[in-house]
Amino acid sequence: NAGVTQTPKFQVLKTGQSMTLQCAQDMNHNSMYWYRQDPGMGLRLIYYSASEGTTDKGEVPNGYNVSRLNKREFSLRLESAAPSQTSVYFCASSVSSGRLSSSYEQYFGPGTRLTVT
Amino acid sequence: AQSVTQLGSHVSVSEGALVLLRCNYSSSVPPYLFWYVQYPNQGLQLLLKYTSAATLVKGINGFEAEFKKSETSFHLTKPSAHMSDAAEYFCAVSGAGTASKLTFGTGTRLQVTL
Repeated sequence: NAGVTQTPKFQVLKTGQSMTLQCAQDMNHNSMYWYRQDPGMGLRLIYYSASEGTTDKGEVPNGYNVSRLNKREFSLRLESAAPSQTSVYFCASSVSSGRLSSSYEQYFGPGTRLTVT
Repeated sequence: AQSVTQLGSHVSVSEGALVLLRCNYSSSVPPYLFWYVQYPNQGLQLLLKYTSAATLVKGINGFEAEFKKSETSFHLTKPSAHMSDAAEYFCAVSGAGTASKLTFGTGTRLQVTL
């Protein structure tokens, strides 16, 4: 049981390049999330997927797109990378079903450290 | 709308001393509250969570937190700090909805000295 896995671990891009961050979970969770972490700002939600087949914007969606490929996988795409997107990106998942969906904790991957020059 | 404020971006304690990390929340609905810990170059790990079953919540590694509605607080404590507690700690809140979207505080880095 690997939990939440993310690839790659590190990536350096030039401004304007594109890339996709991959995330997979093997816990049969319904909901998946993408966050970015910047110094002094905590984690901020980029996009989330409450269930397979749905995606919604979070707090900072501009410059990103997502795909919920199936129940296990949720990818984050940067179409034209900018230096402001230099950050550590975390994927997370949670059970989140039913009336008490908001009470379920999230399980986090190890992160992808992205630098855009 | 919901938000979290963590007072003190850095806290330093001596080994064996009390750890107190402060968290205040704002939420328009009864909140669910979480504390996560992040060790260097790792993801976040759940320490404990409040889901209205009990106001005093015990977590892993000897940590606990008390939900105080009147003070809108959810402070994290540990009676005796250990060197291995050095990490960054995040308080988070989620509200009603079909997914447990979390709003995080800005984090508190705990330093433990000999």
